[in-house]
Amino acid sequence: AQKVTQAQTEISVVEKEDVTLDCVYETRDTTYYLFWYKQPPSGELVFLIRRNSFDEQNEISGRYSWNFQKSTSSFNFTITASQVVDSAVYFCALSEAGRGSTLGRLYFGRGTQLTVWP
Amino acid sequence: DAGVTQSPTHLIKTRGQQVTLRCSPKSGHDTVSWYQQALGQGPQFIFQYYEEEERQRGNFPDRFSGHQFPNYSSELNVNALLLGDSALYLCASSLGVRAVGQPQHFGDGTRLSIL
Repeated sequence: AQKVTQAQTEISVVEKEDVTLDCVYETRDTTYYLFWYKQPPSGELVFLIRRNSFDEQNEISGRYSWNFQKSTSSFNFTITASQVVDSAVYFCALSEAGRGSTLGRLYFGRGTQLTVWP
Repeated sequence: DAGVTQSPTHLIKTRGQQVTLRCSPKSGHDTVSWYQQALGQGPQFIFQYYEEEERQRGNFPDRFSGHQFPNYSSELNVNALLLGDSALYLCASSLGVRAVGQPQHFGDGTRLSIL
């Protein structure tokens, strides 16, 4: 079963629009971490944000904000006033911290291609 | 502060050959993980190395093997290459195999093409 689902394959917006990327995860661990990474055409995965399972406080960091809801197992990511440079593939990832052998392993979704047009 | 570096950037091989990819972790990091990213897919975990030992492994055949050196750098070896091994191979580093929750830092990847 897919542990991380990103239902949106592609999103296109015009510059200055707000855009929300959806992420739904699945885990039996009570302690886990959720991440968003950005992958520009160069290929490198760039870390954006992290949230642990005990902290549902939603935050804003510059033009980025995220909405973590354990009740719906969702970890959505919003870019406000999008810019052309935001065009990239965005990945949601899960890291489980319960007992077992998967410590530190990241489970990724299939990614959402975001295109911001000028 | 040097980030994660991978070499080579691109590689072309033919079926049945063997390949070695290399990774130097971010300065101060001691744990290296390898991921395979097929075109249009998310990265898939191959394995993780810490203290020169493979600590955990994803669902990849034994054709995929690795090594970590005392300076924390790592190699990924793939034998008997198949067309399906064509992908972007990403190396990620972090501090401490049990420092769960720390963001992993990724290199630019090695793009492997199998003909």
